[in-house]
Amino acid sequence: DVKVTQSSRYLVKRTGEKVFLECVQDMDHENMFWYRQDPGLGLRLIYFSYDVKMKEKGDIPEGYSVSREKKERFSLILESASTNQTSMYLCASSPLTSQEFFGPGTRLTVL
Amino acid sequence: QQPVQSPQAVILREGEDAVINCSSSKALYSVHWYRQKHGEAPVFLMILLKGGEQKGHEKISASFNEKKQQSSLYLTASQLSYSGTYFCGTESGGYQKVTFGTGTKLQVIP
Repeated sequence: DVKVTQSSRYLVKRTGEKVFLECVQDMDHENMFWYRQDPGLGLRLIYFSYDVKMKEKGDIPEGYSVSREKKERFSLILESASTNQTSMYLCASSPLTSQEFFGPGTRLTVL
Repeated sequence: QQPVQSPQAVILREGEDAVINCSSSKALYSVHWYRQKHGEAPVFLMILLKGGEQKGHEKISASFNEKKQQSSLYLTASQLSYSGTYFCGTESGGYQKVTFGTGTKLQVIP
């Protein structure tokens, strides 16, 4: 079975802190994605990567950056966390032109 | 721009049918459908590709009208296990950048 894991299920940080969210997939997928999910807004794409060291902005990249140094790992970075970044963050991976496999999510609270 | 889903929410009794619609303002290459149960990650249902046929998954099927830039998800003889939030995702360009709608919350009651 494809497995996508995220480093934390729950995370509490303070405003201004630098936050790292880690995602690892074990199926050698080319594509990896970071979404945030908020009530009434659905899943919104923050960044995605279609290859190592490659990244593309999604629909809401402001305030975020990403890193993909290895094929299996895709990190989301909040350089200076703010309260409006409190959300559920979902990572996903997929082979080319195929379904996405989602991780369990990280619920981030910024105080 | 996110695709528009309708209805936003629906309550069904077991055995009833439902249709969830997904509409985009852009020309589409593919449409993806996912279901998310409360507290869980979204799970893939099906992909419909441009020029492809209507797809089915048990009693859940979907259609894709490329000209109208619309897709519909059909749930037949609903079961309690169908409860959850359904998301459509649309792909308009390369690298499989999928934009998801805001979701349709479906509740099936006995």
